[in-house]
Amino acid sequence: GAVVSQHPSWVICKSGTSVKIECRSLDFQATTMFWYRQFPKQSLMLMATSNEGSKATYEQGVEKDKFLINHASLTLSTLTVTSAHPEDSSFYICSAPQQGYNEQFFGPGTRLTVL
Amino acid sequence: DQQVKQNSPSLSVQEGRISILNCDYTNSMFDYFLWYKKYPAEGPTFLISISSIKDKNEDGRFTVFLNKSAKHLSLHIVPSQPGDSAVYFCAASAGGGYQKVTFGTGTKLQVIP
Repeated sequence: GAVVSQHPSWVICKSGTSVKIECRSLDFQATTMFWYRQFPKQSLMLMATSNEGSKATYEQGVEKDKFLINHASLTLSTLTVTSAHPEDSSFYICSAPQQGYNEQFFGPGTRLTVL
Repeated sequence: DQQVKQNSPSLSVQEGRISILNCDYTNSMFDYFLWYKKYPAEGPTFLISISSIKDKNEDGRFTVFLNKSAKHLSLHIVPSQPGDSAVYFCAASAGGGYQKVTFGTGTKLQVIP
């Protein structure tokens, strides 16, 4: 199966700062990647669909100006949490589908803690 | 609006017995269903999937059953092993597993040795 990595695996930041999370497809190209968020003991909620070379598509209720997504290449998508606040503390996970596989491959996730 | 629901937040099963995890959905547009296994602080790992044109799919110890009329699917694990202990998420998509998926609420399975 395909491998998707995320960096960093965890990050702690002060309220008001911005944090960038990277999602990379290591052995395949991904024109589409998905970003999810998981709060403790809850489900994974889709935040947005990242599209290579075009704007991301955000799910209802997700602030596009707060969660900036850039899909700069066929192997890299970044999620930037701008002006982070404690309520943004969560586990962020990305996924990417690979051609030939009828499933998505998930990254290991990034734990964000905003103080 | 929770379109995919797993009504049992937890399940305990003896090693060697069958584990049955259930999932219900409401969106009629969903035509592809997946089960993922997840450990804390890790990304989900794909287990098995089923298309709406089938009612059963089997892969080793894992079998998924789909009842479209009831909008219900279940995952059977036989025999259950202690290593199966994890949180299991049901997921659904419209147009295939490479499209965006909607996750269920999860069921924490504990297999007791």
